[in-house]
Amino acid sequence: EPEVTQTPSHQVTQMGQEVILRCVPISNHLYFYWYRQILGQKVEFLVSFYNNEISEKSEIFDDQFSVERPDGSNFTLKIRSTKLEDSAMYFCASRAMSDQPQHFGDGTRLSIL
Amino acid sequence: SQKIEQNSEALNIQEGKTATLTCNYTNYSPAYLQWYRQDPGRGPVFLLLIRENEKEKRKERLKVTFDTTLKQSLFHITASQPADSATYLCALVWNTGFQKLVFGTGTRLLVSP
Repeated sequence: EPEVTQTPSHQVTQMGQEVILRCVPISNHLYFYWYRQILGQKVEFLVSFYNNEISEKSEIFDDQFSVERPDGSNFTLKIRSTKLEDSAMYFCASRAMSDQPQHFGDGTRLSIL
Repeated sequence: SQKIEQNSEALNIQEGKTATLTCNYTNYSPAYLQWYRQDPGRGPVFLLLIRENEKEKRKERLKVTFDTTLKQSLFHITASQPADSATYLCALVWNTGFQKLVFGTGTRLLVSP
């Protein structure tokens, strides 16, 4: 069964450094998402992406965050200058079309030191 | 703003029994309601989706109901097994355009042999 793939599984970065989280969505999917989950808390929406542009973003997704689909297969989340509070699990998800469910990757655990 | 409530306490049941998990929401009803399973350190795995105009959905040992009057969804696992032990998340979609998911905190289910 097709799945969403995320790399790396764990990223450790110094505060203030840039980090790029990578995702390969399911190949025929059209809608792409990033969510995050701080340890012990609920999964929170960050951003949705469709037709090569951001369709919706949350308050968390400030100017330090950006997303890109550089080619036909990858979907990336960049944090320009990381803060301690960015430490969390980051999940990528994709969806085929309307009223189809989102499918999630296993996440990247981001640890900011 | 919309609120989603799931039992924060773990649900402990004996193998073979039916587990029933609750998801309550406030304000207006979502277009879709989805249930996911999450194991420690893993991403959410899609289980079932139910639409606003549907009362019940089934898949193998799983059943979900959606009552827009009570503003509640119930998720049932019949003939539960220890392998069903996990955290179960409900996620709601209000915006049918780009369909960001709004998650509850999840309920941890423990099935004892």
